[in-house]
Amino acid sequence: GENVEQHPSTLSVQEGDSAVIKCTYSDSASNYFPWYKQELGKRPQLIIDIRSNVGEKKDQRIAVTLNKTAKHFSLHITETQPEDSAVYFCVYMDSNYQLIWGAGTKLIIKP
Amino acid sequence: GAGVSQSPSNKVTEKGKDVELRCDPISGHTALYWYRQSLGQGLEFLIYFQGNSAPDKSGLPSDRFSAERTGGSVSTLTIQRTQQEDSAVYLCASSLATGASTFGSGTRLTVV
Repeated sequence: GENVEQHPSTLSVQEGDSAVIKCTYSDSASNYFPWYKQELGKRPQLIIDIRSNVGEKKDQRIAVTLNKTAKHFSLHITETQPEDSAVYFCVYMDSNYQLIWGAGTKLIIKP
Repeated sequence: GAGVSQSPSNKVTEKGKDVELRCDPISGHTALYWYRQSLGQGLEFLIYFQGNSAPDKSGLPSDRFSAERTGGSVSTLTIQRTQQEDSAVYLCASSLATGASTFGSGTRLTVV
């Protein structure tokens, strides 16, 4: 079946530095790519999404890029802060409109 | 309500008993998902409902698990003859056909 690979599984960065999480998907018909953040003990929350008619989208310190040819999409967080510590999931919507989830990246912000 | 509602929020049950978990999605959302999440792990897909289409049940781990969605709205996940390995948080999410999902707060199931 369709799947998405997410890397790295754990990412530790110094506060103030940037963090990048990368995902690769397999369904060439995909056209919707949301990212979720899950803080400890809480439900996943949508933080940003991108559709395939654009290559990049930015919202303050968060940006997402999409390369449809290579089937890659990435999450970029700049000027990381302690509250960015969480698990981040990349997701894509397959040709059946079903959301397919990555395994998650645990982001640790070191003070 | 404005969000996805799940009940109960916590459930402790004895091994071998059946449990029912309920999800009330956002009104008008045609897609509904059930996931399972163990402590420190990712989301394990269980089942997906989309409108009147046949549900995708490919994630259900065994025939002890079943789910229904009545009238395209409320969904119930049933686990029969619960086992200790069924202990987890069960999350429900709903969405419009082509949009992101909104999650409920989950049901924490503990099988003792």
